[in-house]
Amino acid sequence: QLQLQESGPGLVKPSETLSLTCTVSGASISSRTYFWGWIRQPPGKGLEWIGSVYFSGSGSGYYNPSLKSRVTMSVDTSKNQFSLRLTSLTAADTAVYYCARNPSTSWEGWYFDLWGRGTLVTVSS
Amino acid sequence: EIVLTQSPGTLSLSVGEIATLSCRASQSVSSSYIGWYQQKPGQAPRLLIYGASSRATGIPDRFSGSGSGTDFALTIGRLEPEDFAVYYCQHYGSSPLTFGGGTRVEVK
Repeated sequence: QLQLQESGPGLVKPSETLSLTCTVSGASISSRTYFWGWIRQPPGKGLEWIGSVYFSGSGSGYYNPSLKSRVTMSVDTSKNQFSLRLTSLTAADTAVYYCARNPSTSWEGWYFDLWGRGTLVTVSS
Repeated sequence: EIVLTQSPGTLSLSVGEIATLSCRASQSVSSSYIGWYQQKPGQAPRLLIYGASSRATGIPDRFSGSGSGTDFALTIGRLEPEDFAVYYCQHYGSSPLTFGGGTRVEVK
């Protein structure tokens, strides 16, 4: 059974960098069929797409323009994981961060069919 | 960027009633690339509908999606107790992917 699990720090200081990892179990992250994405949700608010990445060596992907200057996503096929790095954090980055799967490499499949449980990240000194 | 506006913000209904949720896009959505998700407190969103009208695996047939162009809808026929939740639409035809602000379906 395919599962996704986020991991990372629950508390980060302002101006610092957030690093989160999503571990995929039950399937290979190197599948040529999927992209792998990150979505966040501030407490009590709606969903915001951060970006989605492909398994290839360059970790090619698409990022939300509103966050692109601060975001890096990568894939580690040896660990079956993909990661998110978000720099220059502020309180506005406080949110539950979800990893999820896009079930296709073409736009027709860029919804999210499987999600991790999410991890709460609080930005505070 | 395609902006999705969901209405109403909150829908107060009773078990057994029909719920109709609206999602309006700021511009035409190519090939009806609209998805719908259900989210319960403390849980991740769950995919219900993709391609505007195709049900995801394991989703009961009381959930149905419709629409094209800029106007889309999610209908829940005969609400069950477990259907009270927040529902989001999502556009995925181009980058950036965007979500609507959500509709809360609450017990009347």
